[in-house]
Amino acid sequence: DSGVTQTPKHLITATGQRVTLRCSPRSGDLSVYWYQQSLDQGLQFLIQYYNGEERAKGNILERFSAQQFPDLHSELNLSSLELGDSALYFCASSPRQGSSEAFFGQGTRLTVV
Amino acid sequence: GESVGLHLPTLSVQEGDNSIINCAYSNSASDYFIWYKQESGKGPQFIIDIRSNMDKRQGQRVTVLLNKTVKHLSLQIAATQPGDSAVYFCAEGGAGTASKLTFGTGTRLQVTL
Repeated sequence: DSGVTQTPKHLITATGQRVTLRCSPRSGDLSVYWYQQSLDQGLQFLIQYYNGEERAKGNILERFSAQQFPDLHSELNLSSLELGDSALYFCASSPRQGSSEAFFGQGTRLTVV
Repeated sequence: GESVGLHLPTLSVQEGDNSIINCAYSNSASDYFIWYKQESGKGPQFIIDIRSNMDKRQGQRVTVLLNKTVKHLSLQIAATQPGDSAVYFCAEGGAGTASKLTFGTGTRLQVTL
């Protein structure tokens, strides 16, 4: 158990809908990262937050947004969902901004039908 | 849940033999490199990392070698066990305030009895 908790584990929704994925980082970790793992593209970095502020953006679509709350949990919001958004979404946390030791949660499997 | 269905290179190793998994990275400015193990239905699990100022680091049954000249990273697993069967990813990260990881495509390790 990495100490990073993601909910829900599985999510099935229809195209055009909006969903929210939740991540609780390890106790004391200030950095949260979101990654997407799809069938044809491996693990792709989406976005990073550190202590409530956005720190880095990757290949995140405009339909997607995220935030980190004062209690350090984070949410990833996916809207106007398309079939191609079906993927595993992972959250990872680390103690500092520049930490090499990022611990991953078990992921949320999103299926868009 | 299942692992990502990528067409990954596969390494088959007999139980008890040593495994060597290779990775080519792209950014010569990367400050650190990490190996992750991902079992079916789980998130990536941190195995070992190495800083760019090192060329070798050893852990329990694992050794990571870094060759910056040719931008190559390898993971050696001694006395491979059935529980080592998984997809292995290398990742590279930079120093500084944003430490997103860039993942390689992964290698599937199959341990045969």
